Amino acid sequence: DQQVKQNSPSLSVQEGRISILNCDYTNSMFDYFLWYKKYPAEGPTFLISISSIKDKNEDGRFTVFLNKSAKHLSLHIVPSQPGDSAVYFCAASAVYQGAQKLVFGQGTRLTINP
Amino acid sequence: DVKVTQSSRYLVKRTGEKVFLECVQDMDHENMFWYRQDPGLGLRLIYFSYDVKMKEKGDIPEGYSVSREKKERFSLILESASTNQTSMYLCASSPQLSKQPQHFGDGTRLSIL
Repeated sequence: DQQVKQNSPSLSVQEGRISILNCDYTNSMFDYFLWYKKYPAEGPTFLISISSIKDKNEDGRFTVFLNKSAKHLSLHIVPSQPGDSAVYFCAASAVYQGAQKLVFGQGTRLTINP
Repeated sequence: DVKVTQSSRYLVKRTGEKVFLECVQDMDHENMFWYRQDPGLGLRLIYFSYDVKMKEKGDIPEGYSVSREKKERFSLILESASTNQTSMYLCASSPQLSKQPQHFGDGTRLSIL
């Protein structure tokens, strides 16, 4: 069973507009959530995270929102730029054997059109 | 900056071969992880290690083993490679502190013929 789901495989947004990427999870034990960005032929790069005790975290153009009651998180990118075109993975985390073990969604391919 | 280095970017092997994928990190991180990435499936955890000589199975350990003899190095072993192990393999590391992101290498694209 997929504990973390990204239901949109792809998203296309005009440059300068807002990009909203969504992620749902099922396990209420997750206490830390992350977004990663991945370009082709490179490893995922950490973008932004949020602890379960918060509902919003901002870093420049990137904001992550967490709705614990709905088990839903979203990533907002404002304004969107061509360099934001990449695959975005959300991940949810719980501690196991002292390690923060991540469960990833399937990814959403974001394309920013000029 | 954290540096996670995977020994090969591309690798081609034959069915039945024993395959070694190597990963080295330079940040003295306690935790190291091996994932595989397949289209439509995201990243799936194969094995992880939270200390030298310690290992834990992830979600898809079948057909794989790991070795962690030194803190900075974590090896993934395909005991007898099969075509369904053709994939992108990603190594990551993180500190023991809670709520810290994992840092990834650039991946090894492995093809089993």
